[in-house]
Amino acid sequence: DAKTTQPPSMDCAEGRAANLPCNHSTISGNEYVYWYRQIHSQGPQYIIHGLKNNETNEMASLIITEDRKSSTLILPHATLRDTAVYYCILGYSTLTFGKGTMLLVSP
Amino acid sequence: ETGVTQTPRHLVMGMTNKKSLKCEQHLGHNAMYWYKQSAKKPLELMFVYSLEERVENNSVPSRFSPECPNSSHLFLHLHTLQPEDSALYLCASSRLLGQPYEQYFGPGTRLTVT
Repeated sequence: DAKTTQPPSMDCAEGRAANLPCNHSTISGNEYVYWYRQIHSQGPQYIIHGLKNNETNEMASLIITEDRKSSTLILPHATLRDTAVYYCILGYSTLTFGKGTMLLVSP
Repeated sequence: ETGVTQTPRHLVMGMTNKKSLKCEQHLGHNAMYWYKQSAKKPLELMFVYSLEERVENNSVPSRFSPECPNSSHLFLHLHTLQPEDSALYLCASSRLLGQPYEQYFGPGTRLTVT
């Protein structure tokens, strides 16, 4: 069973920030938080990962709470091409994908 | 383009056929993975290879047989499949096994068993 909880779906207007939440209350002290996304019928795409500190790259920002029991993926300016299923995954040795959040970006 | 290629992209096979899926990574990675994604189900990890040795086999039926001849290539040999094996088969690679190494996925092979 996946050890994370995500809302099944979210909507976002094009150009606005998309904030995708993830709960992982049973996270171990040395487990990383990974985010991937999967556009329909394509292979998953790595977005970002972090351990304790907030992280930012060219795709997104990852905010991890101080107690590490939850995190938020932020897409600062969502576009239509960001419509996808977003997976929050804890990865110690291998990744276990859950059902993710279906993000729909609309014009 | 992720640096991981898979062939064929689509495959239709009968239950008595034998076929193979191929994965190649051009990233210099040392760990490779096979996943299965059935319709409306989460990705399921099938096999893991690290430095060409199989390190994980998640209770996959013997009609699926992986092969990793070198760190750049991964095969999935298929024989006497069932219709319920129809799915998207995804290959991935990572620099090393485990965290914090992210995985890069290929585009997948869409398999239909008739």
